[in-house]
Amino acid sequence: AQTVTQSQPEMSVQEAETVTLSCTYDTSESDYYLFWYKQPPSRQMILVIRQEAYKQQNATENRFSVNFQKAAKSFSLKISDSQLGDAAMYFCAYRTGTASKLTFGTGTRLQVTL
Amino acid sequence: DGGITQSPKYLFRKEGQNVTLSCEQNLNHDAMYWYRQDPGQGLRLIYYSQIVNDFQKGDIAEGYSVSREKKESFPLTVTSAQKNPTAFYLCASIGRGLDTEAFFGQGTRLTVV
Repeated sequence: AQTVTQSQPEMSVQEAETVTLSCTYDTSESDYYLFWYKQPPSRQMILVIRQEAYKQQNATENRFSVNFQKAAKSFSLKISDSQLGDAAMYFCAYRTGTASKLTFGTGTRLQVTL
Repeated sequence: DGGITQSPKYLFRKEGQNVTLSCEQNLNHDAMYWYRQDPGQGLRLIYYSQIVNDFQKGDIAEGYSVSREKKESFPLTVTSAQKNPTAFYLCASIGRGLDTEAFFGQGTRLTVV
């Protein structure tokens, strides 16, 4: 079964600092995609970044980057220069083509302090 | 504008009643999904559908039913068999390609009164 684990229920970071959110997953598939989604207080889900399992280069989107360790099945999200607007729930997600299921972790609530 | 629409935003149900949550998309996406969100449990998959007239159970399908008669629509019925239906429900759709992102509706908050 596909599982996605986020071991940090809550994290806190000071404005302008860097924070890393952890995610591990379990799969026997060889081709899959990994995603990080943000859910602000409005509860609207927003895609932050995506990573294909076949690509060794870590994905980057502005202040957001990932550390993808395929052998360890780890997919952490790094947020640099944190801003107040980054405060939200962050969900790690996994998708494979075999079943087309999109499986989410339990989420990490990020607080950004002044 | 293309998008995915859920309605209603808030829904109240009496115990023993069935209720149906609406999800409509005009993105021409093949795959559609229903998730339930509870505090501390993330998004749990209820049902998903990859094509019209076909759907699969997710991880927590008991007490729920769906239909997919049209590509654009994927309604979710919460039946009286669902013992703890109070939750936030999210609908999503995904286009073709493994790398395509999921688009989400704004959610329906269901409360049993």
